[in-house]
Parts: sequence; C-alpha cells; structure tokens
Amino acid sequence: AQRVTQPEKLLSVFKGAPVELKCNYSYSGSPELFWYVQYSRQRLQLLLRHISRESIKGFTADLNKGETSFHLKKPFAQEEDSAMYYCALMVGGSEKLVFGKGTKLTVNP
Amino acid sequence: KAGVTQTPRYLIKTRGQQVTLSCSPISGHRSVSWYQQTPGQGLQFLFEYFSETQRNKGNFPGRFSGRQFSNSRSEMNVSTLELGDSALYLCASSPFVPYNEQFFGPGTRLTVL
Repeated sequence: AQRVTQPEKLLSVFKGAPVELKCNYSYSGSPELFWYVQYSRQRLQLLLRHISRESIKGFTADLNKGETSFHLKKPFAQEEDSAMYYCALMVGGSEKLVFGKGTKLTVNP
Repeated sequence: KAGVTQTPRYLIKTRGQQVTLSCSPISGHRSVSWYQQTPGQGLQFLFEYFSETQRNKGNFPGRFSGRQFSNSRSEMNVSTLELGDSALYLCASSPFVPYNEQFFGPGTRLTVL
C-alpha cells in the first residue's frame, strides 16, 4: 500500500528562520514525489517535484530512499511562505497522487 | 491558457439525492483526476480518466462514478448521498507527460443535509 505521512499538522517559525517540513512515504515501487502548496484562497498548485531536482521560491527537497523521506527545506522563511503544504506520491504508471494530510506553515513577522 | 474550471462551485443536497459535478480541463490536457478533500481524511483519490477511459479508481463505494467525454471534459456522479459525502471535490488535469504537474481546479463544495 502507498502511504504519505506528514507528522506535523502545524508549524510556526519566525521570518528569516530556517524551515523544514517533514514527509515520509511508504511505497514498494520507485517513488516519484511532489510538494504541492495551497496559499490562502488559491488553488492547490505544484511547488516542486523530486525528478526535476529544482529549487522553487528558495525551497528544496531531497529524496532519501534509505529513510524513505522527502523533506521540504528553506534556509530563510518569508511571510509569504505561509500556506498549507502537501507532500504527494505519484503511483507508477498512473496520474494517481497519494497525498499526506498536509502541514500548515505560518511564518511570523 | 484558461485554468481548470469546475461547476457548480457550491452545492447543497439532502440525503438520498444524487449529484453531478463537472470539470473542464485545460485545453490540450487529456488526463483528468478527481479527489475528495475533507478535514478528517485529507485529499483522497477518487478516479482518473484518460481518453474517455477510467485508468484508476480509488477506494470509494460504487455510489461514486465518473466519465470523460471526447473533448476531455469530465463529470463525476454521486448517488444516494450520505452526510459523509460532504466535502470539497477537486478536479485536476494533466497533459499526461510522465510525472508531470497536475493542475487543480477551485473545487466544488458539496454539503449534504
């Protein structure tokens, strides 16, 4: 069975502080992982995908197959980063996404 | 390009009724997926359609069904509504390039009384 776990429902940091949103997965195949973000009153949208190995808005995420993790990191949080963040696993050979329950990030001034 | 559109945006029904939700994908996208979002269960996959064929189905009862038309527009239907079906239903479209981004619509908020 496929499962994505985000252990923190809420995460609060101060502006300029580093932030790490945790994501662990369980999947027997080769994982393809994503981070989606939902800003207030906006649609769910892709933040980054592991296969691209890119940095978006200062965020990065590294796939660690040994620890089955895909944590999202940013060295200096900004107030505009406040949002709901979802880690998602794409099931091989399909467009099916398995989502974690999400972490609400609040960046305080 | 216009984004994914969903109609209606809000819907109120009573138990036992049925409902049909509609999704228009981004032009050129041939894959459409549906998700149910609730506070307790989060985002759960319902089904995925590609070229009018259901390719994947989530773990939902048979009361939940869907279809896709030749123009890639999709509908989902829920029959014999239950209180627990109250949720935000999200549609996402994709160009069906492997591991590509899914583009989400604003959702339809269904309330079952």
